[in-house]
Amino acid sequence: SQQGEEDPQALSIQEGENATMNCSYKTSINNLQWYRQNSGRGLVHLILIRSNEREKHSGRLRVTLDTSKKSSSLLITASRAADTASYFCATDFVGEYGNKLVFGAGTILRVKS
Amino acid sequence: DGGITQSPKYLFRKEGQNVTLSCEQNLNHDAMYWYRQDPGQGLRLIYYSQIVNDFQKGDIAEGYSVSREKKESFPLTVTSAQKNPTAFYLCASSIGQGSSYNEQFFGPGTRLTVL
Repeated sequence: SQQGEEDPQALSIQEGENATMNCSYKTSINNLQWYRQNSGRGLVHLILIRSNEREKHSGRLRVTLDTSKKSSSLLITASRAADTASYFCATDFVGEYGNKLVFGAGTILRVKS
Repeated sequence: DGGITQSPKYLFRKEGQNVTLSCEQNLNHDAMYWYRQDPGQGLRLIYYSQIVNDFQKGDIAEGYSVSREKKESFPLTVTSAQKNPTAFYLCASSIGQGSSYNEQFFGPGTRLTVL
């Protein structure tokens, strides 16, 4: 399977703390993306990092990518209760019939107020 | 408003019945995708389409069928051959080939339950 793996599976922190989620993958990629999913809803795109980039920021989000280790991390700083959700990494690679995303199993983040 | 709509939000099916899930987008995207999500798991790709009148099987296509007669529509039929269809189904779209980003935009999902 080319599916990525994420850890931890679940993370519970206090409001104001930082949350770090990790993602590992198996194949060469064009880019890696992070998505968020609130319970029972669709996914929302958070941030994309290209294979030739090492770090990217967007607001309170910081993503790193290490292609030599085939891993990425998502850091959410100064977390809020509203950040409670599931977070998925997705690797973008070119298949025989065009680009596809392969999603990891996700990290469930709970931010306690 | 631009976006992706899925209907219905909840769907109940008796065993042996085929059901069709609707997915419509007005983002002028070429590519569309169907995913299945089971509790506590990530998304698995069922079918995807890069252009009108063309589609490809994903990782778990057995028991499902799709059509892509219009750019904005990509309906998914869950057939009676799908042995365990109870799941949350998500439709997505992206700009398509030629884009190096492939950010996907998701609909709100349809929760299918087999009675």
